Amino acid sequence: DGGITQSPKYLFRKEGQNVTLSCEQNLNHDAMYWYRQDPGQGLRLIYYSQIVNDFQKGDIAEGYSVSREKKESFPLTVTSAQKNPTAFYLCASSIDLGQMDPTNEKLFFGSGTQLSVL
Amino acid sequence: DAKTTQPPSMDCAEGRAANLPCNHSTISGNEYVYWYRQIHSQGPQYIIHGLKNNETNEMASLIITEDRKSSTLILPHATLRDTAVYYCIVGGGGGADGLTFGKGTHLIIQP
Repeated sequence: DGGITQSPKYLFRKEGQNVTLSCEQNLNHDAMYWYRQDPGQGLRLIYYSQIVNDFQKGDIAEGYSVSREKKESFPLTVTSAQKNPTAFYLCASSIDLGQMDPTNEKLFFGSGTQLSVL
Repeated sequence: DAKTTQPPSMDCAEGRAANLPCNHSTISGNEYVYWYRQIHSQGPQYIIHGLKNNETNEMASLIITEDRKSSTLILPHATLRDTAVYYCIVGGGGGADGLTFGKGTHLIIQP
């Protein structure tokens, strides 16, 4: 089945530690996104990638890093510089950014990773 | 800032139609209205989208006003499994920042 897979579902980080959240898609989508969700809040965009080897900062990129070495994969690293990392992290993909066909921006989401600090 | 305004919560009786409003007064001519829903601790799920005509699919109907400044998502026969947070979003105009999600409407279906 086509879709987006996030792993792990639960992750714990020790103080000063970097952790990496995995996101893989087999939808052949060009665009991928990372969102952060805090309890009772909406989704805030961390980073997005329009194409392989290219990515852009979203609204809350500080303390995070990403890579896009393969079309299918867009891992997110939560660095020690992120002082409040506890949140629900969601990865999404879309056909592209919708420049030619706006409906190509329809998002497909993974099931999320809950990150907590020990 | 989110481009849409939604009520924070709504109740609806099981079996009745749930009508969820959304204001998007600053929508531009080439932007679509999208609706997603999120069941607790899961990723959001796409429901429906539209530009200016009313749309219907197997999940819901979308009514967009003629001036496009507001819309209503209709779940025709709500069930307990429709309890979720519903997000109304505008986008698809080729903006390179993804779709911005506000806090949405928490719809509670009452038995």
